[in-house]
Amino acid sequence: GDSVTQMEGPVTLSEEAFLTINCTYTATGYPSLFWYVQYPGEGLQLLLKATKADDKGSNKGFEATYRKETTSFHLEKGSVQVSDSAVYFCALSEPSGTYKYIFGTGTRLKVLA
Amino acid sequence: DVKVTQSSRYLVKRTGEKVFLECVQDMDHENMFWYRQDPGLGLRLIYFSYDVKMKEKGDIPEGYSVSREKKERFSLILESASTNQTSMYLCASSNLGERAKNIQYFGAGTRLSVL
Repeated sequence: GDSVTQMEGPVTLSEEAFLTINCTYTATGYPSLFWYVQYPGEGLQLLLKATKADDKGSNKGFEATYRKETTSFHLEKGSVQVSDSAVYFCALSEPSGTYKYIFGTGTRLKVLA
Repeated sequence: DVKVTQSSRYLVKRTGEKVFLECVQDMDHENMFWYRQDPGLGLRLIYFSYDVKMKEKGDIPEGYSVSREKKERFSLILESASTNQTSMYLCASSNLGERAKNIQYFGAGTRLSVL
């Protein structure tokens, strides 16, 4: 079945460091891909998305590119801030016939001042 | 803005109690979901609903049931709570269609402890 694999955390970085959180997927067809972020004590909120191959999603300085050839959707940010400390979830959704997401296990990011 | 409201942020219940978790969304979304979130396991789908009175089992439905009598409200029911149901429960809603892009909107979560 479909699955999403994320790098294990926690990831600890200094402020202004470069961030990469790896995400790969296994799916039939051509899924949509998402990154969600969960700040402490809150629910998940959409960070960015991509719906087809080579699409780049971006928001708040974060970027991820839908790579069909490597079945990946890695999250990157050039310069992290303390306020980026959160748990990040990669997810996929089949393009039709179902409304469900498959989530990765989440990666906790801690940014130190 | 889409708002998904879960009725309680924290709940403490005893083993064997019947527990109701309520979720309300204000955007007329067709689809609603219940997940549980556990460390190292990510989010796992319990049940979802794509219309009023319609429901489908997710990946871990055992020990749970749901009710959707109105479009905006989706309830998760633990018929007889057990300690292994101690978890964070998240509700979400979404709309299909090209413009909606199947984005799910989440509530703040209910942290349930079963003693």
